[in-house]
Amino acid sequence: DQQVKQNSPSLSVQEGRISILNCDYTNSMFDYFLWYKKYPAEGPTFLISISSIKDKNEDGRFTVFLNKSAKHLSLHIVPSQPGDSAVYFCAASAGTGNQFYFGTGTSLTVIP
Amino acid sequence: ETGVTQTPRHLVMGMTNKKSLKCEQHLGHNAMYWYKQSAKKPLELMFVYNFKEQTENNSVPSRFSPECPNSSHLFLHLHTLQPEDSALYLCASSQDWVQGEQYFGPGTRLTVT
Repeated sequence: DQQVKQNSPSLSVQEGRISILNCDYTNSMFDYFLWYKKYPAEGPTFLISISSIKDKNEDGRFTVFLNKSAKHLSLHIVPSQPGDSAVYFCAASAGTGNQFYFGTGTSLTVIP
Repeated sequence: ETGVTQTPRHLVMGMTNKKSLKCEQHLGHNAMYWYKQSAKKPLELMFVYNFKEQTENNSVPSRFSPECPNSSHLFLHLHTLQPEDSALYLCASSQDWVQGEQYFGPGTRLTVT
């Protein structure tokens, strides 16, 4: 059974507006979370991370929010730009030396 | 070359063939990984090598055989594969087998006929 789920396969957003990508997890032992971005014909590239001691981490236009009680995290991109169009994966792990579990990805399209 | 490179980028092989996938990282990392990504499925971790020693083998069939001759190179040897093994195979590396981001190569798109 999947421990990390991204229930929206795709999302379209107008340029300049906010993009919100969601991720849910089932394992309460997960304490470190990553977001990756993937362009076609390229490997995933690291975007932003958050550990369970925080509920928010911000890096420029990207902010990740973590709601531990709901086992939910989200990635906010604001303002969205056409170059943000890609597939976004969330990943979670249960501590040092444990593997990451990935979601199936959400394909974001930012419309100019 | 910088980052993580993988060759070949595309591979078509029959079920009786033997082939190898190659991964090389130029980041000075100590841990390397093989992942499999099938259509509409999440990335699945196959193998982990930390300081050239295999630390994880996630119940991968023996028709996949990894080799890590040094901390910069990782191979995945393939033999007698099945059509359901067709997928994108991604290599990644990280500083160590601890928490932290992994750097991925572009992947090898494998088709088994």
